[in-house]
This record gives sequence, structure tokens and C-alpha cells, in this order.
Amino acid sequence: AQKVTQAQTEISVVEKEDVTLDCVYETRDTTYYLFWYKQPPSGELVFLIRRNSFDEQNEISGRYSWNFQKSTSSFNFTITASQVVDSAVYFCALSEARRGADGLTFGKGTHLIIQP
Amino acid sequence: NAGVTQTPKFRILKIGQSMTLQCTQDMNHNYMYWYRQDPGMGLKLIYYSVGAGITDKGEVPNGYNVSRSTTEDFPLRLELAAPSQTSVYFCASSYSTSSYNEQFFGPGTRLTVL
Repeated sequence: AQKVTQAQTEISVVEKEDVTLDCVYETRDTTYYLFWYKQPPSGELVFLIRRNSFDEQNEISGRYSWNFQKSTSSFNFTITASQVVDSAVYFCALSEARRGADGLTFGKGTHLIIQP
Repeated sequence: NAGVTQTPKFRILKIGQSMTLQCTQDMNHNYMYWYRQDPGMGLKLIYYSVGAGITDKGEVPNGYNVSRSTTEDFPLRLELAAPSQTSVYFCASSYSTSSYNEQFFGPGTRLTVL
């Protein structure tokens, strides 16, 4: 069975600090996909990134970066020089390729608070 | 493109009442989904559809029904509302199976059952 664990329920940092959100996953499949979604206070989930299990290259997009390590089954998300607008709930999700449309499993989310 | 739209945004129901949550997408996506989000929890899949006329149960389907008569619309029906159905409901769509493609979410419907 697939499982996603986001152990950090809530993180609070001061603006401009760097912050890392942890995501640990479990799967028996060799082919799978990992996602990060952002849920700002407005409530709508916004897709941030997708990574497949064969691509362990780290990804950087502006102040956002993602570290995918299969050896530790982790897909961590770092925000550099955080801003108040980064305040949101962030969800990590996993989808096994062998599963159908019902195969996306979400973690419980990390509530990130950026204080000015 | 409006993306995925949901109505209503908020609703309060009494126990035993029925209602339909509306969901429409204008991206011509074949796959559509209904999730519920409870406080401090991730999203749980209620029902999904891989195309018009085809629906299937997700992880938590009890107490809900769906239909998919068109590609655009995927309404969720609550027949006999119960307090346990108090939650935020999200509709989503994707181009193809979620194993690869990201899902696009609507703004959500906050439902309270008293």
C-alpha cells in the first residue's frame, strides 16, 4: 500500500528565513510519481511540481527547490528567503503508475506560517 | 478558461437533508474527482470518473452518489446528510489518469451539517 507522511504539522518561521518541508513516502512500485501542492488561505489547491521515480535530479524554480532521494524515500521541499505570501498548507502526494485514476494519495499537509 | 468551478462555496444543512454539489470544468478533461478534506487531514477520494457515463468509488464513498452525463459536469449528491459529512469538498480534473498528470482543483465547497 502506498503512504505519504508529512511529519511536520505546522512550521512557523520569520520572513526571509529558509524552510524545508519534509515528505516521506512508502510504495512497493518501482514506477511512481510524486507531487507537491500548495493550498493558500483562499482554499484552492495549486499544483507545484511533479517528479517521476526515475528522475532523481533536484529541481529549482526561483526560491523553491525540491530534493528527491530514493534511498531515503523522501521528496523534500525547500523555500529559500521565505515570504509572507508563502504562508499556506503544503501537501505532498504519491501516485503509483500501476494504479488507475484512484491512485493519488495525499499526506496530511504541513501548515507553513511565515511571520513578517 | 475558468478551469474547475464549484457551487455553492458554503452551505449549512440539517441532518437528513439532501443536496447536490456542482462541479464543472472547461478544460475538456476526461478524468474528474471528488475529494473531501477534514481538518488536519489530507484529501480523501470519494468518487471519480474516467469519462462521461463512467464513475467509480474511491476511498470514502459511503453516503454519496455521483453521475457523469457530460464531459464537463460531475455533480456530487448527498442524500441524507449526517454530521460526519461536515467537511470541505473539492472537485478536480485531469487530462488523463492521475498516476502522471497533475490534477486541477476547484475552489472547494465548505459544508456544515448540523
